[in-house]
Amino acid sequence: QKEVEQNSGPLSVPEGAIASLNCTYSDRGSQSFFWYRQYSGKSPELIMSIYSNGDKEDGRFTAQLNKASQYVSLLIRDSQPSDSATYLCAVNVGTYKYIFGTGTRLKVLA
Amino acid sequence: DVKVTQSSRYLVKRTGEKVFLECVQDMDHENMFWYRQDPGLGLRLIYFSYDVKMKEKGDIPEGYSVSREKKERFSLILESASTSQTSMYLCASMAVDYGYTFGSGTRLTVV
Repeated sequence: QKEVEQNSGPLSVPEGAIASLNCTYSDRGSQSFFWYRQYSGKSPELIMSIYSNGDKEDGRFTAQLNKASQYVSLLIRDSQPSDSATYLCAVNVGTYKYIFGTGTRLKVLA
Repeated sequence: DVKVTQSSRYLVKRTGEKVFLECVQDMDHENMFWYRQDPGLGLRLIYFSYDVKMKEKGDIPEGYSVSREKKERFSLILESASTSQTSMYLCASMAVDYGYTFGSGTRLTVV
């Protein structure tokens, strides 16, 4: 059974701090990794993709991938209350198919 | 921006009814998906389609079927709705390796 694991949280960080969200996956053949943000009552929205080992930065967001250790992480710098949401990690298990983690709930405290 | 439109935001249906959930995307994507999302279980793939008239079972296809007669439209059918199918249903569209774009979701309640 291919799996994606995330700590459900909540992860609470003060405003302005760095939030670190982690995800591990079981399929060594996975090549594409995505982070989605989901506000309560809304559908997920794509915020980052990463395909190669190392870091990828986009504004306040940095995705980190380590295929050898089978983990992917998301860092959010200068966290804002508006970043409070559930963050979903998604990993491909085939050309078209992705498995999602159950998400980590982030709370940014003003 | 890619737009994925789900026809209903909220639906209430009776046990045993046949239910149709419609999804339309406007970016000419080949790949479309139906997920359900439940607390503690996350997003689970029901069916997906990578071309017109093509469909593949996901992880939880039992009790569901799909139809894709046109590229832009992917329908999910609950053949005989049950209370266990009360859930949030999310449709998504994707260009390969560009991630999903989700519709706004349909919250289905079966009574």
